Amino acid sequence: EPEVTQTPSHQVTQMGQEVILRCVPISNHLYFYWYRQILGQKVEFLVSFYNNEISEKSEIFDDQFSVERPDGSNFTLKIRSTKLEDSAMYFCASGQETQYFGPGTRLLVL
Amino acid sequence: SQQGEEDPQALSIQEGENATMNCSYKTSINNLQWYRQNSGRGLVHLILIRSNEREKHSGRLRVTLDTSKKSSSLLITASRAADTASYFCATDASGGYQKVTFGTGTKLQVIP
Repeated sequence: EPEVTQTPSHQVTQMGQEVILRCVPISNHLYFYWYRQILGQKVEFLVSFYNNEISEKSEIFDDQFSVERPDGSNFTLKIRSTKLEDSAMYFCASGQETQYFGPGTRLLVL
Repeated sequence: SQQGEEDPQALSIQEGENATMNCSYKTSINNLQWYRQNSGRGLVHLILIRSNEREKHSGRLRVTLDTSKKSSSLLITASRAADTASYFCATDASGGYQKVTFGTGTKLQVIP
């Protein structure tokens, strides 16, 4: 059964560094998403992406964040200058009516 | 803002018992989905129910939706220790596959 994959599974970085989180959505899906979950809190929407452009973004998704679909298979989330409060589990999802989530990348900013 | 709120926040039952979790939301929706999350892991999609549906079954799962009350319930029958996880409802109001909004979750513990 096809599934969404994410790399790396864990990432530790210093505050102020750039990180790129990678996702491979399910191949025939057209809509892609990033969510995050701070430890012990709800899953929060960050951004949705369709037809090679952002279709919706939340208040969390400020200028420090960007997304890209550099080729036909990958979907990336970049955080330009990480802050301590960016520490969270980041989930990629793809789908349409049903969203299928990847296993997540646990980001720790020190 | 549209938000799902599950109750109870935590539920502990014996293996073999049924578990019922409820979700309430604030605005009109197109569909509602239930997800399971094992501790520190990813979100597993369980079931989707559309706004024009009232009940749906999948294996040991039964989901109901009452749009007049803006609420949904997830019933897990004959629970197993492996069902121990957090369960979230997520609502889609956009109709354009933009995002889902997650609730706070119910942490279910099934005691063997």
